[in-house]
Amino acid sequence: DAKTTQPPSMDCAEGRAANLPCNHSTISGNEYVYWYRQIHSQGPQYIIHGLKNNETNEMASLIITEDRKSSTLILPHATLRDTAVYYCIVSLSGSARQLTFGSGTQLTVLP
Amino acid sequence: GAVVSQHPSRVICKSGTSVKIECRSLDFQATTMFWYRQFPKQSLMLMATSNEGSKATYEQGVEKDKFLINHASLTLSTLTVTSAHPEDSSFYICSASPGLAGDTQYFGPGTRLTVL
Repeated sequence: DAKTTQPPSMDCAEGRAANLPCNHSTISGNEYVYWYRQIHSQGPQYIIHGLKNNETNEMASLIITEDRKSSTLILPHATLRDTAVYYCIVSLSGSARQLTFGSGTQLTVLP
Repeated sequence: GAVVSQHPSRVICKSGTSVKIECRSLDFQATTMFWYRQFPKQSLMLMATSNEGSKATYEQGVEKDKFLINHASLTLSTLTVTSAHPEDSSFYICSASPGLAGDTQYFGPGTRLTVL
């Protein structure tokens, strides 16, 4: 699986959009970009994933560049409960595929 | 959405004893489940892949005789930490996928193991 690079930490004001970047320059054509987050002392929570097109769900939007070498997770209106470590993971699809976690980005939403 | 549960959520045991952790997929069947371990201030590390009806596959450096995995049904995998020692104290997390489009992995809430 391709390796990802994320900033170690970011701050965001409550109510503002949080934009979390991820670089995955070695991604292959059939690898997906997955985003998870982990609130302290809990299991990771799935947020969103995509292959080529931008994706949006009730939690967030995922913007993938045309060359697929980077992506941005957007939380449109961050709340204090969004404070967590956010992981960007690149992986082939498949229920038998494990996920390789990097260091992630610690997002702190400030009041 | 798909739900994965773990039991217990927290366990404290004496050194030398064995501890069993259960991972259940509540609303889907999973032929494959994964077990991860997370030490304080570190990321999740894959320990093993649990396969229903067959032997688990362990990552390099993980002792298969110490971390026994049983995946007896399509909704249950168990991890038994045998002869636990203080260095086994960690946060153990399982995941599973319902095998639908995108094959998203869903994670359990984790089990905090403390070995005294």
